Amino acid sequence: DVVMTQSPLSLPVTLGQPASISCRSSQSLVYTNGDTYLNWFQQRPGQSPRRLIYKVSNRDSGVPDRFSGSGSGTDFTLRISRVEAEDVGVYYCMQATHWPLTFGGGTKVEIK
Amino acid sequence: EVQLVESGGGLIQPGGSLRLSCAASGFTFGGYSMNWVRQAPGKGLEWVSYINSSSSAIYYADSVKGRFTTSRDNAKNSLFLQMNSLRDEDTAVYYCARTLSGTLDYWGQGTLVTVSS
Repeated sequence: DVVMTQSPLSLPVTLGQPASISCRSSQSLVYTNGDTYLNWFQQRPGQSPRRLIYKVSNRDSGVPDRFSGSGSGTDFTLRISRVEAEDVGVYYCMQATHWPLTFGGGTKVEIK
Repeated sequence: EVQLVESGGGLIQPGGSLRLSCAASGFTFGGYSMNWVRQAPGKGLEWVSYINSSSSAIYYADSVKGRFTTSRDNAKNSLFLQMNSLRDEDTAVYYCARTLSGTLDYWGQGTLVTVSS
């Protein structure tokens, strides 16, 4: 199985400051068709996961443009340009290039 | 509006069985593959099972293979997860999620399954 390793585990951030979450995979996530199926999800306290980013850098409709995804191969990053109070929660990366689907362990974003 | 509503969770003794349902609305259910994903209390997300639109391809995580069965009824816009021989470690919130092109684009609110004597 592809192992997804996220860091840090916990990310205390000051409101208005940037935040960055790393996700590394144990194998390349480039599929045979050339696409890279790396997704980012946000899970606010008490809620179900919500997709933010798909195929590395495509932001979902309704997701603020302060969220951005980047990376390639085995190394990916989710960035929040200016953290707001509503961004508190746990963020997960997930790969869908290889079976089974696997998730990172999660990064908890909290306000300092 | 896409909606996925899970039901069927509850408290069950180890070794027991439970059937979860996921009612879909707001999209053409029969045109999409679906997944079950679970989350143990205070833990991360774990993929459980996948079923394609025609039920011709069904996959399971090793942790549930041989005990869980995924099925769907496209006429009733419903997805199911039959869980047998339940163990303590199956305690989790179970989510159904729609699959689209290598992603899980919509998730339900989840249903809690507690396995305990």
